[in-house]
Amino acid sequence: DAGITQSPRHKVTETGTPVTLRCHQTENHRYMYWYRQDPGHGLRLIHYSYGVKDTDKGEVSDGYSVSRSKTEDFLLTLESATSSQTSVYFCATHNGQGVNQPQHFGDGTRLSIL
Amino acid sequence: GESVGLHLPTLSVQEGDNSIINCAYSNSASDYFIWYKQESGKGPQFIIDIRSNMDKRQGQRVTVLLNKTVKHLSLQIAATQPGDSAVYFCAENPAGTGFQKLVFGTGTRLLVSP
Repeated sequence: DAGITQSPRHKVTETGTPVTLRCHQTENHRYMYWYRQDPGHGLRLIHYSYGVKDTDKGEVSDGYSVSRSKTEDFLLTLESATSSQTSVYFCATHNGQGVNQPQHFGDGTRLSIL
Repeated sequence: GESVGLHLPTLSVQEGDNSIINCAYSNSASDYFIWYKQESGKGPQFIIDIRSNMDKRQGQRVTVLLNKTVKHLSLQIAATQPGDSAVYFCAENPAGTGFQKLVFGTGTRLLVSP
């Protein structure tokens, strides 16, 4: 797999606090993605990046921002966490050599907003 | 809108049986499909993929079949083992997006009894 590390793996925080999740990859993949996974829903795309400092919104981007200052790191920030953002967050990468290559995923961050 | 769904939320089989997991997709323009396996507490793991110019693709103990006429995808697992117990879900990539914008199904849980 793409050597994807997500941190932290678990976090509990309070409503209104800022939260930053980190995704680190070692394969020099161009594309990186943030998803959330909730019961009854498939993985839903929050934001994605197609290069350093190049990012765009996904399906459920409200309340989230991202940054990518280096190829290997993609950060997801909840500026003011809400209970609806309690979820499991997954990062994925894709090597970009052709659209038809599988995305590879990290093991997720379980985030609870109280 | 685009959607990817699964007919059977839970599939129970005996060890050694063959398993078939089904997926219906709605976007006839999708040109790439992926099956993932997700074990508890882990991220989705790539199993096998197929492009729309193919009807069948085989891997180690797994086969994916694509029927574009009825927009149906299936994953066949031969000689199912207890280690195959997990949630399986499919994903489709609508063509023409320039990058991967996968649409994921909600998943089928496979339970393998010894």
